[in-house]
Amino acid sequence: DAGVIQSPRHEVTEMGQEVTLRCKPISGHDYLFWYRQTMMRGLELLIYFNNNVPIDDSGMPEDRFSAKMPNASFSTLKIQPSEPRDSAVYFCASSFSPGGPIGELFFGEGSRLTVL
Amino acid sequence: AQRVTQPEKLLSVFKGAPVELKCNYSYSGSPELFWYVQYSRQRLQLLLRHISRESIKGFTADLNKGETSFHLKKPFAQEEDSAMYYCALSRGSTLGRLYFGRGTQLTVWP
Repeated sequence: DAGVIQSPRHEVTEMGQEVTLRCKPISGHDYLFWYRQTMMRGLELLIYFNNNVPIDDSGMPEDRFSAKMPNASFSTLKIQPSEPRDSAVYFCASSFSPGGPIGELFFGEGSRLTVL
Repeated sequence: AQRVTQPEKLLSVFKGAPVELKCNYSYSGSPELFWYVQYSRQRLQLLLRHISRESIKGFTADLNKGETSFHLKKPFAQEEDSAMYYCALSRGSTLGRLYFGRGTQLTVWP
């Protein structure tokens, strides 16, 4: 298994543009998480899904952020319009429960977003 | 509410020296604690969890409920231990949901 796959790996865009980040979780995993990593705040959970259903989106900064999971093998995180303060590394992670070890998340390589 | 605190943003030691990365938590229930590590140019990955009580790459961590701590220790640091380390907490009842600390960047000098 290639693990969690994220695209793009790097994105540079201008303020006001729409950004779409994509994630393919590990096959069979029933949880999917979107995290944002910055130097100042570390790893912040934005939203997570269980069986494609959003469970907790309280970490989504504001209405400019939205996430979808149309099926078990794909999720998107969209920022519209983007702002410079959105510059960060966005991680997608997946996990499996029950049966799998509780709390073990498998992370993708991240999408580094720079908004100019 | 639950909270994970890693008081040191940066930590530097010399090769062969002992290292301790601090983690404190606040949670009224029975948490599960984890350490995740991110080596340069690699994915964030699980290092160890308290329920396993295992030693991984020479690292150990003991859950101290009295002090609400889960410090990560290694008696003799190696250069390849240089990485970002995150302490994380799970409430157990919310499967898979982890609360992360802000991380500690460990640098081991030769």
